[in-house]
Amino acid sequence: EAQVTQNPRYLITVTGKKLTVTCSQNMNHEYMSWYRQDPGLGLRQIYYSMNVEVTDKGDVPEGYKVSRKEKRNFPLILESPSPNQTSLYFCASSLGVFGLRSPLHFGNGTRLTVT
Amino acid sequence: AQTVTQSQPEMSVQEAETVTLSCTYDTSESDYYLFWYKQPPSRQMILVIRQEAYKQQNATENRFSVNFQKAAKSFSLKISDSQLGDAAMYFCAYRSLPPGNAGNMLTFGGGTRLMVKP
Repeated sequence: EAQVTQNPRYLITVTGKKLTVTCSQNMNHEYMSWYRQDPGLGLRQIYYSMNVEVTDKGDVPEGYKVSRKEKRNFPLILESPSPNQTSLYFCASSLGVFGLRSPLHFGNGTRLTVT
Repeated sequence: AQTVTQSQPEMSVQEAETVTLSCTYDTSESDYYLFWYKQPPSRQMILVIRQEAYKQQNATENRFSVNFQKAAKSFSLKISDSQLGDAAMYFCAYRSLPPGNAGNMLTFGGGTRLMVKP
């Protein structure tokens, strides 16, 4: 089944403890991205990647890192999480620079709480 | 930068009736894409409908249709014959066309929570 898989689904951690949220897609998609969702703000893009070894900042990249060493994986790294990074995170992918013919496929989200 | 505004944080509709969700956006571009996404309690993001700005004809997908008013920068979603399964958060989204990095990002509105009453 074609899908974007994020893990974990829920994560509670403490301030300053490094964490990684994994994202993997099995559709051979070139484009992958990370969003965070906050009440009233919708989804805001953190980082995106057009292909292997190519990443770029979105609207809210501060405090996050990403890497794209393989086409299928695009992990999100929080080196020193802070409470303002408590949010719902989504990974998404598409075949190319997405548009009407290449829709964005989303993972099921990761609910992160930083205390 | 583009902005997308959904002015209705919550809406409710009686089952089998019609409801319209509003979305406005701000852009100086002449061509772009617009989307509506549905997010049920399961947290999945499901693409409902999409529209290319250069197309004057409003997109339709079964019970879902849009009213795209380019001059007014308005992109509302109409749900006909509402069903209990339509209860969800709905997000309007804007995407620039490439080239340029702006074409690689979706800009979302803040969302509208739709409740469907039996």
